[in-house]
Amino acid sequence: DADVTQTPRNRITKTGKRIMLECSQTKGHDRMYWYRQDPGLGLRLIYYSFDVKDINKGEISDGYSVSRQAQAKFSLSLESAIPNQTALYFCATSDTRTGMVYGYTFGSGTRLTVV
Amino acid sequence: QQQVKQSPQSLIVQKGGISIINCAYENTAFDYFPWYQQFPGKGPALLIAIRPDVSEKKEGRFTISFNKSAKQFSLHIMDSQPGDSATYFCAATFRNQYGNKLVFGAGTILRVKS
Repeated sequence: DADVTQTPRNRITKTGKRIMLECSQTKGHDRMYWYRQDPGLGLRLIYYSFDVKDINKGEISDGYSVSRQAQAKFSLSLESAIPNQTALYFCATSDTRTGMVYGYTFGSGTRLTVV
Repeated sequence: QQQVKQSPQSLIVQKGGISIINCAYENTAFDYFPWYQQFPGKGPALLIAIRPDVSEKKEGRFTISFNKSAKQFSLHIMDSQPGDSATYFCAATFRNQYGNKLVFGAGTILRVKS
């Protein structure tokens, strides 16, 4: 099983619908992140969580919300999806105990299409 | 606004050649500079990283060169192989009141022709 699992892998949804992307990890890492990947723009941070009670906005949080249900679970919601939210979404984790602040573990991504 | 500017956007190299990807930054508070490699259908994976007090780091065929005064760093892939074909992201970490964060460049799509 993958260390960081994202579901679904692919999703097509209609404009205005609410959708949730889920992420779970078995690495025991304390920090979790949601990134969005667009061609030519790289990976941009949407939200991040340093522990269950800590949620912080990233650089492009408008239109998104998150929930850290447990140390191992971090979900991303689009309350009312719009076409420009069509992108590849990645969940990532990191572990403060290692001191390797740049070493993130990424899931395989969710390809979301909003029509 | 990209905090780390990466070039080129795409690169084609012959098998056995050297692939070079460049990145530049402005924020002197960045404290680590990693590179990530992403294959199609997969998430990015850490490839190699360097601290700003080191000018070069080599791991196998992959080398990071770092120029602190110019605020530039680059990834060199020696003896490039078709299996190196992937998207490469440079990145940088910085610390604020909320902890460390990682910011990425726009990515370079590398294709190694056999």
